[in-house]
Amino acid sequence: NAGVTQTPKFRVLKTGQSMTLLCAQDMNHEYMYWYRQDPGMGLRLIHYSVGEGTTAKGEVPDGYNVSRLKKQNFLLGLESAAPSQTSVYFCASSYIGSWYEQYFGPGTRLTVT
Amino acid sequence: AQKVTQAQTEISVVEKEDVTLDCVYETRDTTYYLFWYKQPPSGELVFLIRRNSFDEQNEISGRYSWNFQKSTSSFNFTITASQVVDSAVYFCALSEESHGQNFVFGPGTRLSVLP
Repeated sequence: NAGVTQTPKFRVLKTGQSMTLLCAQDMNHEYMYWYRQDPGMGLRLIHYSVGEGTTAKGEVPDGYNVSRLKKQNFLLGLESAAPSQTSVYFCASSYIGSWYEQYFGPGTRLTVT
Repeated sequence: AQKVTQAQTEISVVEKEDVTLDCVYETRDTTYYLFWYKQPPSGELVFLIRRNSFDEQNEISGRYSWNFQKSTSSFNFTITASQVVDSAVYFCALSEESHGQNFVFGPGTRLSVLP
């Protein structure tokens, strides 16, 4: 099992550009999450999904959109990147029966110049 | 509103010392869950433990132990006889039943265990 994978691992964007981060999990988990990690602030939840076709806002959703068209994939989109979105992005997934045990991906380091 | 505070930004200890990482939380819910996650240098967070608000029993797992005290809204984590492999950033997190999957993480404590 690959677990949770994220694509790409690194990316540099210019202000105003758009991009999509892909998260894939092969554990048949129902729940999936996107977080951002900034120095001194821990992880903050951007959006999450409790099942295919459903998404919900987390703590810091502004500037991001998500889609979960397939159970195994959770996409995070930035329509018009801003320097404030420079961060490390983590995807996680969990099984409905043990929703509290999240499995995390390796992270994507995004820099917006 | 839910909030998690980890006042210790960085801690350094020498191998074999015991170390306690503090976590203080705020919540208005009566049903909530507390967690600890470890982020080693590789970057991927690893789940360590979950506690629900109705279970104040302390937990021990090998060299790790957790002390949950509702009276002080704290969920502290102790590593006994620390090892170099324990070096990581440790996050405490909270989830309120009323907010479902909306996890709130503390800022983390970076632990360095020196040989």
